[in-house]
Amino acid sequence: AQSVTQLDSQVPVFEEAPVELRCNYSSSVSVYLFWYVQYPNQGLQLLLKYLSGSTLVKGINGFEAEFNKSQTSFHLRKPSVHISDTAEYFCAVSDPGNYGQNFVFGPGTRLSVLP
Amino acid sequence: NAGVTQTPKFQVLKTGQSMTLQCAQDMNHNSMYWYRQDPGMGLRLIYYSASEGTTDKGEVPNGYNVSRLNKREFSLRLESAAPSQTSVYFCASSDVTDTQYFGPGTRLTVL
Repeated sequence: AQSVTQLDSQVPVFEEAPVELRCNYSSSVSVYLFWYVQYPNQGLQLLLKYLSGSTLVKGINGFEAEFNKSQTSFHLRKPSVHISDTAEYFCAVSDPGNYGQNFVFGPGTRLSVLP
Repeated sequence: NAGVTQTPKFQVLKTGQSMTLQCAQDMNHNSMYWYRQDPGMGLRLIYYSASEGTTDKGEVPNGYNVSRLNKREFSLRLESAAPSQTSVYFCASSDVTDTQYFGPGTRLTVL
């Protein structure tokens, strides 16, 4: 079964600084990869996803992520964060063709953007 | 297009009471899920349904039952609520690329 590691449980960063949130998954076979964001007291919202093709994926709110198959990583980046990016971020992985039965979330990274 | 809707938004129960959390999606998705989210525990899968008429246990099914009433609706029932079931409950559905779409959540407190 797949597993997802998000090495940093909390990441504080100053406004307008760059940020990288790290995500590693366990299997090197074909995967779908996702990043979700959860703002306080809300549900999860899809930021971006990798299904196939270009390894650099662009998402909403200026975020992007790079799929690295050899390192089994899918790190999320933003060149300049805003206060409004303060939220919890979840990485997730799924095995294609299993109708979502092997969908696994990471434990989450809490991003705090400081003024 | 409402996406995934959940009712109620908030609920307070006494220990031993029962209740059903309702979830519906209008995106014609086959798969639906119930998660619970507790501080420091991330999201934990309670049950999922890969298609109408099928349900399977997830990581934390004890104390819960589910019904996939039709393709749109997937309900979660607590037969005898316990304080350990105090949590935020999320319903989700997924498309053919496994992308999950979440409802706004139900905040449940069991006293």
